[in-house]
Amino acid sequence: GQQVMQIPQYQHVQEGEDFTTYCNSSTTLSNIQWYKQRPGGHPVFLIQLVKSGEVKKQKRLTFQFGEAKKNSSLHITATQTTDVGTYFCADSMYQAGTALIFGKGTTLSVSS
Amino acid sequence: GAGVSQSPSNKVTEKGKDVELRCDPISGHTALYWYRQSLGQGLEFLIYFQGNSAPDKSGLPSDRFSAERTGGSVSTLTIQRTQQEDSAVYLCASRSSGSYEQYFGPGTRLTVT
Repeated sequence: GQQVMQIPQYQHVQEGEDFTTYCNSSTTLSNIQWYKQRPGGHPVFLIQLVKSGEVKKQKRLTFQFGEAKKNSSLHITATQTTDVGTYFCADSMYQAGTALIFGKGTTLSVSS
Repeated sequence: GAGVSQSPSNKVTEKGKDVELRCDPISGHTALYWYRQSLGQGLEFLIYFQGNSAPDKSGLPSDRFSAERTGGSVSTLTIQRTQQEDSAVYLCASRSSGSYEQYFGPGTRLTVT
């Protein structure tokens, strides 16, 4: 079945350092969504990427979709303590409407 | 406006008991999803409702799990004869017909003792 692998599982950085999480699939992804879950909170939608090679930016966050649509990445420039949380990538399952297959997430901790 | 709400926020039950978890989606959202999140894990899809169509139950882990959605709005997830491995956070999400963004509720933390 469809699987989405995410690395690393955990990442600790000093405030101001950059951070990147990677999402990989052995099969072609239909589209990729990214969510952020703060500690004790629920997932919150960040962005969706649809096109091969697509790059989107949200302030300090840069999202990329691979040319072959088998990988994606989220890069945060100059992390802040507010960036703490778990970042999930998710692929949609066409056979279940737009239900999502989530990766296991990358948990980011930031020390000041 | 109001987001997705879920109740109860926490539920502790004894093994073998039945539990019901409730989800109130955002008003007007036609799609409703249930997911399960075990400690340190990603989110596992359980079931999907779209309008008046038959639900997609392909993610339900066993026949002890069932869900219904009344009047196209509120949904209830029922777990019969709970087992310890059912302990997890159960998340509900809704989506409007013109969007791909899913809005998640705060979840119900279920603990089976």
